Amino acid sequence: EDQVTQSPEALRLQEGESSSLNCSYTVSGLRGLFWYRQDPGKGPEFLFTLYSAGEEKEKERLKATLTKKESFLHITAPKPEDSATYLCAAYSGNTGKLIFGQGTTLQVKP
Amino acid sequence: EAGVTQFPSHSVIEKGQTVTLRCDPISGHDNLYWYRRVMGKEIKFLLHFVKESKQDESGMPNNRFLAERTGGTYSTLKVQPAELEDSGVYFCASSNRQGPYEQYFGPGTRLTVT
Repeated sequence: EDQVTQSPEALRLQEGESSSLNCSYTVSGLRGLFWYRQDPGKGPEFLFTLYSAGEEKEKERLKATLTKKESFLHITAPKPEDSATYLCAAYSGNTGKLIFGQGTTLQVKP
Repeated sequence: EAGVTQFPSHSVIEKGQTVTLRCDPISGHDNLYWYRRVMGKEIKFLLHFVKESKQDESGMPNNRFLAERTGGTYSTLKVQPAELEDSGVYFCASSNRQGPYEQYFGPGTRLTVT
């Protein structure tokens, strides 16, 4: 069964304290790995798509990487405005569906 | 460019009543998706429209749920009759390409069935 697991469930960081969020996946025929950011009361906001192992993408303080079994979202020197829930989703080429993880809720304290 | 919009933002209904959720995708996006997140669980796929046709409705929980997309523009998701377990946040997303490409999400409709 296709599954995406994110860890940790929650993460508290001090402003400037870098860390990584993990997304492990077992998905049939992976065609793309997506990262979204979700703020309270809002819908998921697209951040990155990774298509092959070894690929990396960056946006401001965020960098996403992909291996054959997992993806990491690295946050460098986070700021309070980076506080949000980060969602990972894998697109299965076999089913044509986006499979979501439960998310990691990040809180960055000033 | 306007994003995906959903209406209402919040709906509270009693068990057995009917509710209709609406989604307006980004203009020109042929692909429209419905998802649901129930308390404590991950976001799950419900169905996928390509223009006005249902491409995949394998995620619909049961026949109390009916989705339509007349004219290939906005979509509605009707729940009739609503049950307690239908409570959750219903998201709509749209994309201009089918497949592993970014989907743009609306703000969601929070449905509470009492």
